[in-house]
Amino acid sequence: EVQLVQSGAEVKKPGESLKISCEGSGYSFTTYWIGWVRQMPGKGLEWMGTIYPGDSYTTYSPSFQGQVTISVDKSISTAYLQWSSLKASDTAIYYCARHGTHYYYMDVWGKGTTVTVSS
Amino acid sequence: EILLTQSPGTLSLSPGERATLSCRASQSVSSSYLAWYQQKPGQAPRLLIYGASSRATGIPDRFSGSGSGTDFTLTISRLEPEDFAVYYCQQYGSSLTWTFGQGTKVEIK
Repeated sequence: EVQLVQSGAEVKKPGESLKISCEGSGYSFTTYWIGWVRQMPGKGLEWMGTIYPGDSYTTYSPSFQGQVTISVDKSISTAYLQWSSLKASDTAIYYCARHGTHYYYMDVWGKGTTVTVSS
Repeated sequence: EILLTQSPGTLSLSPGERATLSCRASQSVSSSYLAWYQQKPGQAPRLLIYGASSRATGIPDRFSGSGSGTDFTLTISRLEPEDFAVYYCQQYGSSLTWTFGQGTKVEIK
């Protein structure tokens, strides 16, 4: 079964750093792009960025460029999303999703990681 | 950057009725690049339609997608109780970028 398993919920304080993960299984991890999508409380979906695990090529939404870092460790089939200094406005659910064979869409989604940033 | 505008914001219908959801792009989009997702409360999004009209694996045939250029439509022929959810369109843009519409909520009337 193709699946993406995301790390558990996090509660952090403003200014702290954070790295959340997304482990792929059941398919060739290095040959499918992995994207990250934010959903703020009660809001819609926002594409943040996407990485190609085969060579770590990464593309970011202009809205998130410089705000987060996406990386991958293909030896353990895991993608990451990290922040160096969290803000309260980073409170959201973060989904990882596999881009399909034709990378135009996202065909497999993780269950999401809830990040709460509060003092 | 291509913007996607979905309408209506909320659609109030009864089970068994037909639902028609619209997604309008600010510039022409290749049909290959347009997808639809369903999201139920507390769940991750699920791919319904890709390439504007191709159903994803396991998606019932009451879901259909159509359209081209700047106007795309998701139709649910007869609403089942499990279809009440939020629906998002998404497009792939140039230079490896992706955009979502703001969503349409289909609620029980």
